[in-house]
Amino acid sequence: EDQVTQSPEALRLQEGESSSLNCSYTVSGLRGLFWYRQDPGKGPEFLFTLYSAGEEKEKERLKATLTKKESFLHITAPKPEDSATYLCAVQAAYGGSQGNLIFGKGTKLSVKP
Amino acid sequence: DTGVSQDPRHKITKRGQNVTFRCDPISEHNRLYWYRQTLGQGPEFLTYFQNEAQLEKSRLLSDRFSAERPKGSFSTLEIQRTEQGDSAMYLCASSQGSDQPQHFGDGTRLSIL
Repeated sequence: EDQVTQSPEALRLQEGESSSLNCSYTVSGLRGLFWYRQDPGKGPEFLFTLYSAGEEKEKERLKATLTKKESFLHITAPKPEDSATYLCAVQAAYGGSQGNLIFGKGTKLSVKP
Repeated sequence: DTGVSQDPRHKITKRGQNVTFRCDPISEHNRLYWYRQTLGQGPEFLTYFQNEAQLEKSRLLSDRFSAERPKGSFSTLEIQRTEQGDSAMYLCASSQGSDQPQHFGDGTRLSIL
């Protein structure tokens, strides 16, 4: 069964304290891995797509990396405005669920000034 | 680019009533998706359309749920005979093709009294 597990569930950082979020996945052929940011009461906001192992994407203080079994979202010198829930999702290349995204439960990040 | 729009933002109804939600996707996007999200969970896939054709439905989508996209533009999601367990955020997303990122609206929050 295709599934996504994110860790930790919650992460509290001081402003400027770099860290990483983990996304482990099991999928019948990976079509793509997606990272989203979600603020309270809002829909998920697209951040990155990764398609193959070894691929990396960067945006401001965020950097996403991908291996054959997991992805990491590295946050460098975070600011309070980076506080949000970060969601990881995969899209399968085979099987009956090729159209949809399979999400993890997310990591809730809090950055204190 | 006006983004994905959902209406209403909030809906409160009594158990047993029918409700209908509307989603307007990004104008050039041919794929439209519906997801459901409960507190502390990632979004769960319900169904998706390519143009006006409904291509996939999740097992979560019971007989009380129906979705349409009559002209390949906006979509509606109807829930008949609502139950307490239907309380959730209903999210709509759209994409330009199967391999492109899905962009989400801010959802409709449904509360069942």
